[in-house]
Parts: sequence; structure tokens; C-alpha cells
Amino acid sequence: GEDVEQSLFLSVREGDSSVINCTYTDSSSTYLYWYKQEPGAGLQLLTYIFSNMDMKQDQRLTVLLNKKDKHLSLRIADTQTGDSAIYFCADGNDYKLSFGAGTTVTVRA
Amino acid sequence: DAGITQSPRHKVTETGTPVTLRCHQTENHRYMYWYRQDPGHGLRLIHYSYGVKDTDKGEVSDGYSVSRSKTEDFLLTLESATSSQTSVYFCAISHDGGYTFGSGTRLTVV
Repeated sequence: GEDVEQSLFLSVREGDSSVINCTYTDSSSTYLYWYKQEPGAGLQLLTYIFSNMDMKQDQRLTVLLNKKDKHLSLRIADTQTGDSAIYFCADGNDYKLSFGAGTTVTVRA
Repeated sequence: DAGITQSPRHKVTETGTPVTLRCHQTENHRYMYWYRQDPGHGLRLIHYSYGVKDTDKGEVSDGYSVSRSKTEDFLLTLESATSSQTSVYFCAISHDGGYTFGSGTRLTVV
């Protein structure tokens, strides 16, 4: 929805790092999420961060949260062709999720 | 997907007909959701349920109704399908701070 915004496209070379950015407006969000969607498939939870954390690392994924600026980012290290997908940022509050429009990541050789 | 199934997976229907989509879970979770996914909009919440017979509207509820007569099933009904309801519909459950999504139903209204 309009409460969560993210850029629509990102092109990255294989082996480089990808950074996907997201801004949100709801200051009472409890959790913030990153989901991945491959073509024709459902949504796969990649990672999430609790709102009182600044950073979370999980293997190649690093999530940074700037709560003051309501800015969330997802960094994918050593991007591979299998990382090509749509990535959705979502904020969770009141037992509901609000999604951004999704960032289509294209990995080129 | 973690005990959540949607049916049908694909459906083509005519304008003006009623359509019901089914979401079934096997894990007894309290909260269930229906979203629709459209290009450029991400996923938008249609309706959700917080228990048997307890439902509430999301941001795009017009033209849709839901029912939850038992914990495991959450039904989404398009009362009179329109072309603007052509979309991919996802059901989800929430659990311990996370959400799991079904595989989706691709609905085409012609």
C-alpha cells in the first residue's frame, strides 16, 4: 500500500552486492519484513527485524533499520542469478501486514 | 507452504458471476488473511479474520465478502465478479510474529 514505498527496479552484476531500500510511515510497526517472490510463485519470507533493532545479519543478507528516518534496507552480498526475483518490504502492526509495491531485481552476468 | 493450501489454483470466470476461493490451514492459527497482488501495487489486504466468525475489512474490501465458519477454512467470495478483480489472490496465516503465504490463486474475469 501507499504506506510503504520502495523503488521498482534494480539491476546488479553477478557477484556484486545488491541494496534494496524501503521507507514506511507507521511509527508503531512492531516487525519489518523482507519477502522474495520468484516468477509464478508465492511469497517466501527472507528475513525480518524487530523494530527495536538496528541491524540483523543472516548469512548473505543484512537488514538495516533506521527507525528515526523510517528507512529499511536489505543488502544481499555476492548476488547470484538465483537472487533474481521481486523483493517486497512489509511492515507489521495490529496483526496486519502492509506491503510496498516490490523491487524487481535483475542479476546480469 | 507450512500447512496452508489454496483452491483453486487457477480460475477463469465470466463477469457478473459469483466466485468463491478457499484457504485451508492445518495448524489451528487464529489469524488468516486474504490479499490480492497486482503489478505496481504489491499486495493489498482485502479482508482478514481473527477467529471463527470474526472478520474485518482491509484496504480493498469493496466487492468482496469472507466467511470463517471453522478455524481451518477462510473463504473469499466475489459476489459479482468484475474485470477489475482479475488478479492473483494470496491467503496468509500469522504465527509468532511471522506470516506464511499460500501459493496463490490466479483469477481471470472475462
